[in-house]
Parts: sequence; C-alpha cells; structure tokens
Amino acid sequence: DAKTTQPNSMESNEEEPVHLPCNHSTISGTDYIHWYRQLPSQGPEYVIHGLTSNVNNRMASLAIAEDRKSSTLILHRATLRDAAVYYCIPHYYTSGTYKYIFGTGTRLKVLA
Amino acid sequence: EAGVAQSPRYKIIEKRQSVAFWCNPISGHATLYWYQQILGQGPKLLIQFQNNGVVDDSQLPKDRFSAERLKGVDSTLKIQPAKLEDSAVYLCASSFAPGGYYGYTFGSGTRLTVV
Repeated sequence: DAKTTQPNSMESNEEEPVHLPCNHSTISGTDYIHWYRQLPSQGPEYVIHGLTSNVNNRMASLAIAEDRKSSTLILHRATLRDAAVYYCIPHYYTSGTYKYIFGTGTRLKVLA
Repeated sequence: EAGVAQSPRYKIIEKRQSVAFWCNPISGHATLYWYQQILGQGPKLLIQFQNNGVVDDSQLPKDRFSAERLKGVDSTLKIQPAKLEDSAVYLCASSFAPGGYYGYTFGSGTRLTVV
C-alpha cells in the first residue's frame, strides 16, 4: 500500500499563501492523489485530486512533482476558516475496488 | 443536494452495552463507507458497501461489530458489546462512482464515548 508523509503541523498568517507538502514516494503510476481537509467536529471534506498534471479548483491548487513522489496543496490566501487538518491520500486500486488510507495529516493553524 | 445524514450525533454508553449508528447517504450514491476515527488519528475504514453488498470488511472487528445496508440505501453500524477502546467518532461516507473516484462525501459523524 502507498504511504504518505506530511508535517504534523504548520502555521500561516491570514491572507497569505500556504503550501502544504506531502511525500508519497511509494505511489504507483495509476494511483491518484486526493486531498481532504477536516474542520473541527466535522467529517473530512474533499478538496482536490490529481494524477500527473497540476490541478486547480475554487478551493485550492495541487502541484504534483514530475516524478510523482511528492505533491503540494496550495491555498492561495489562507483565511481563518481554512484552519483544519489536511490529509494527502493515495487513491489506489486493490482487490477489486479503489481505497483510501488516511494518515494523520497536517494540522494547519491560521493566525489573524 | 442534501449531505450524508448520521444519527445520533453523540452517544455515551457503559462498556459491554450495545449501540447502533444510522447513516443515510446522498441520494443516488451506490457506495457507502463506515470509518472509525480515534482522537488524534486519521479515519480508518471499517466496511465498504456497493449497493447492498459488502465490498471490503477486512478491518471490521467482526466479533463485536456488524453493519448492514438493506435495500442499498440506509445503513446501520452496530457494536455489541462495546469496549473502552471503541470510543471514537464513527463517520459514514458515500460516493457516486464506485470506490470514490470523484471523491467521497462524509457525514459529521457520531461521537461515541464508552465509560
């Protein structure tokens, strides 16, 4: 199974960009990288996913390294509402279905 | 669209008692998942349903946990008897595409405290 490594915690100032790194050196060529975030007392929320190319949506951007061993989630302007735990998750196919394995994620603190 | 509904929101029971959690997924989502999230950890998959069939229950402690999804819509997760280490948030999620290719939608969870 693919494993990921993320910093336990990060801090950012409000309205500044945030770059959340993830190492996934054991990922296979067909595994997508998904990012979720979990706000306090809520279930995880889908943020973005990608395979090889950089991806953008209204919430964030995802930059995937050319060798696919790492990726970075970019929040362009952090707000206080972005304070959450961010999970980088390989989405891989095994035993007839796709699966996620959540790690412990990165706890993002946004300072006013 | 309405989200994934879970109830109850909180539950406190004594060890060795039984408890049940209910989940109503998003309409039209064929795949349903139950996760257990212990404080300070990421969610761990307990069981995955595709319609009303079990796709993966390899991480479900079958001596005490059971789950069903009758008619391929609502689902119930039961613990009997509960242990102290079962204290956790139980999350239900659903996805339109099998295996969640386009992502999962999670409910807010049920926080279980076993005393």
